[in-house]
Amino acid sequence: GAVVSQHPSWVICKSGTSVKIECRSLDFQATTMFWYRQFPKQSLMLMATSNEGSKATYEQGVEKDKFLINHASLTLSTLTVTSAHPEDSSFYICSARVPTGGAYEQYFGPGTRLTVT
Amino acid sequence: SQQGEEDPQALSIQEGENATMNCSYKTSINNLQWYRQNSGRGLVHLILIRSNEREKHSGRLRVTLDTSKKSSSLLITASRAADTASYFCAPNQAGTALIFGKGTTLSVSS
Repeated sequence: GAVVSQHPSWVICKSGTSVKIECRSLDFQATTMFWYRQFPKQSLMLMATSNEGSKATYEQGVEKDKFLINHASLTLSTLTVTSAHPEDSSFYICSARVPTGGAYEQYFGPGTRLTVT
Repeated sequence: SQQGEEDPQALSIQEGENATMNCSYKTSINNLQWYRQNSGRGLVHLILIRSNEREKHSGRLRVTLDTSKKSSSLLITASRAADTASYFCAPNQAGTALIFGKGTTLSVSS
């Protein structure tokens, strides 16, 4: 199957600083990637859809100025959490979409655990 | 996009037993996908079943889809301790992002 990587796998930052998370498709090109967030013992929540070369589409309730998404190439999307606060501490997971005979499969990265102190 | 509703929320079985989890959804779909998530990890794609398919197999996994009842099931045969994880279904219209429900937490004890 398709491989998606994320970096870093975990990060600790101080309140008020910004953190960048990278998502790469390693063996395929992804015109569309997605960013999810997962709080402990909860399901994944879709944050935004990232399309290569265009602005991301954010889900309702997700602040686009706080969660900056850049999808500058077909293999890389980045999520920057700006002015992070402790409530932003979460597990961030990216996903890339792969066309499969008229449908799309989504492949997920291993996730990035962000802790804001 | 729509999320599926998995049932049961939690399932505990012994190694070697079969595990069955169900998924229901509300509106018509193009396909339905099943995923596994081990604690603290990303999701692993298990199977995609298209709306015109009724059953699909992959190793010890068997997925069924009943579009008339808007439901799907995932059967894991001869469970192993390594199957312990959360399982999610994702009903999908073509081209939309996957939305996830609460999942089924499977615990397989040896």
